[in-house]
Amino acid sequence: AQSVAQPEDQVNVAEGNPLTVKCTYSVSGNPYLFWYVQYPNRGLQFLLKYITGDNLVKGSYGFEAEFNKSQTSFHLKKPSALVSDSALYFCAVRVWPGANNLFFGTGTRLTVIP
Amino acid sequence: DAGVIQSPRHEVTEMGQEVTLRCKPISGHDYLFWYRQTMMRGLELLIYFNNNVPIDDSGMPEDRFSAKMPNASFSTLKIQPSEPRDSAVYFCASSRGGGLVNTEAFFGQGTRLTVV
Repeated sequence: AQSVAQPEDQVNVAEGNPLTVKCTYSVSGNPYLFWYVQYPNRGLQFLLKYITGDNLVKGSYGFEAEFNKSQTSFHLKKPSALVSDSALYFCAVRVWPGANNLFFGTGTRLTVIP
Repeated sequence: DAGVIQSPRHEVTEMGQEVTLRCKPISGHDYLFWYRQTMMRGLELLIYFNNNVPIDDSGMPEDRFSAKMPNASFSTLKIQPSEPRDSAVYFCASSRGGGLVNTEAFFGQGTRLTVV
């Protein structure tokens, strides 16, 4: 079975500090990993994805994520947090071969403190 | 493109009533997904379509839920009869096929359903 785990429900970080939102996955097959962000009363917005190639992926708004196959992780990072980064972050995985649906983690609420 | 469009944005209905949620995917996208989001269960995939055909409806919670996609530009999710535990935010998303696993899904803004 495919699954995605986000071990932290809540992450607090001071503005200007680096942030990390953790994600681990468990799949049978090749994982394709995604990060989405959800602002209040909005749908999910795509941030970045790992398909193949360089393990460090850069995405929107200065976010990046590192794919680590040995640790089955895909942590989201940003060197310097902004108050406007406060939102709900979801990690997701698709698997090939397999079904074409997108499995989501439970989400991590990031709060950046001014 | 205007993105994935869902209607209504908010729906309040009484228990036992029929509820229909609507979705217009992004033009050219051949995959459409319906998700439900609650505090308790997070994001759950209910059903998804490929080229208007339902592929996997194993996430549909009960027979009270049904979804259709009569054409490439429109899908509905219907709950009949509705119950208070159906209260949630329902999201529609679409993506382009082909190298499907490479492609991200685009989400609508959701329909917040409250069943009283």
